[in-house]
Amino acid sequence: SQQGEEDPQALSIQEGENATMNCSYKTSINNLQWYRQNSGRGLVHLILIRSNEREKHSGRLRVTLDTSKKSSSLLITASRAADTASYFCATLGKQAGTALIFGKGTTLSVSS
Amino acid sequence: GAVVSQHPSWVICKSGTSVKIECRSLDFQATTMFWYRQFPKQSLMLMATSNEGSKATYEQGVEKDKFLINHASLTLSTLTVTSAHPEDSSFYICSAPYKVNTEAFFGQGTRLTVV
Repeated sequence: SQQGEEDPQALSIQEGENATMNCSYKTSINNLQWYRQNSGRGLVHLILIRSNEREKHSGRLRVTLDTSKKSSSLLITASRAADTASYFCATLGKQAGTALIFGKGTTLSVSS
Repeated sequence: GAVVSQHPSWVICKSGTSVKIECRSLDFQATTMFWYRQFPKQSLMLMATSNEGSKATYEQGVEKDKFLINHASLTLSTLTVTSAHPEDSSFYICSAPYKVNTEAFFGQGTRLTVV
């Protein structure tokens, strides 16, 4: 099962520009997490935001969460070619023992 | 930090054979582990929830007789793809929750190619 949509599905930018990805979900959550995946590789955890938080920063990453709209955004500032990857949001439900449910992902391409 | 180890990282097998993938929590106990499948250019889809000492719970549309899950100990869950066919070729990845409101820990993933 998938929780929701991410947009855009694909994003191409130049180095130094900012990249914004959005994620929508359908059910109540405990937290929302963002992951990066380089082509054919495993997942790298980027940031976790709890349901009672509205914004979080980590280095060049900024995540917002709007539980009333059931949406989140990931902003990568001053992008680099190394940021080229697929980015997924994943939500954890409130019920204990539930799995992370992933969105469809955004493929980011940063050209130098 | 908590580590989940998955083995093998890649495997090629012939149609009709079975393949076993292992997922271990190295420094914590996991009564529950999750198995995901990812087809090329798609997202991760939850296949099943593996419960230590009891039967796995499968998501709708996942054949339990084809994807056998065994969670015999608090640190090991295995996924066996039985009678594999080319359409089973995919990236399989496991995860184990550590604590609520912390990141989930994922194995490195297994790329299965059935020829």
